[in-house]
Amino acid sequence: KQEVTQIPAALSVPEGENLVLNCSFTDSAIYNLQWFRQDPGKGLTSLLLIQSSQREQTSGRLNASLDKSSGRSTLYIAASQPGDSATYLCAVRSASGGSYIPTFGRGTSLIVHP
Amino acid sequence: DAGVTQSPTHLIKTRGQQVTLRCSPISGHKSVSWYQQVLGQGPQFIFQYYEKEERGRGNFPDRFSARQFPNYSSELNVNALLLGDSALYLCASSWDRADGYTFGSGTRLTVV
Repeated sequence: KQEVTQIPAALSVPEGENLVLNCSFTDSAIYNLQWFRQDPGKGLTSLLLIQSSQREQTSGRLNASLDKSSGRSTLYIAASQPGDSATYLCAVRSASGGSYIPTFGRGTSLIVHP
Repeated sequence: DAGVTQSPTHLIKTRGQQVTLRCSPISGHKSVSWYQQVLGQGPQFIFQYYEKEERGRGNFPDRFSARQFPNYSSELNVNALLLGDSALYLCASSWDRADGYTFGSGTRLTVV
């Protein structure tokens, strides 16, 4: 059974810092991995989707890397802004068993203060 | 194009009642998945439907059921509501079962 862990659980930083959020998974036979952002009480907004054959994806100030062999993905946020404050979740879609049901981590709660 | 739409946005029900939540996927998406999210936790998988057939079921009691219609919209039904069913219910659509998800804004269910 796939298990997904996100570290740290919470993070509070001043504006302008470069941030690294971590996502680790136990089964390296993955199909893809997706990073989401969630504002309080709202749905999830997709940030980046990395297929198993890819090493990284970039969108604006966001960069996500994938290392299947070590069971890790990293979301890098450059020059953080107060508007980046949200919970960030990763979802890992396993290739095992053919179900393709993603497993979510519990998220990293980020606060960026001015 | 409209995104994933869920209705209603908020709902208050009494213990023992039944509730139906609705989801319309992005046009062209054939897969719909339902998740339950309680405060402080990641989404927990309930059901996945693809091409109108159930393709996955999470660890939820039989009080939870769902279906997908010919137009690929979906309903989630919960019978005999318990206080512990209070949560944000999320619907996600995707082109196929393995594609990345697009989520709706969710339905906040409160059971009193």
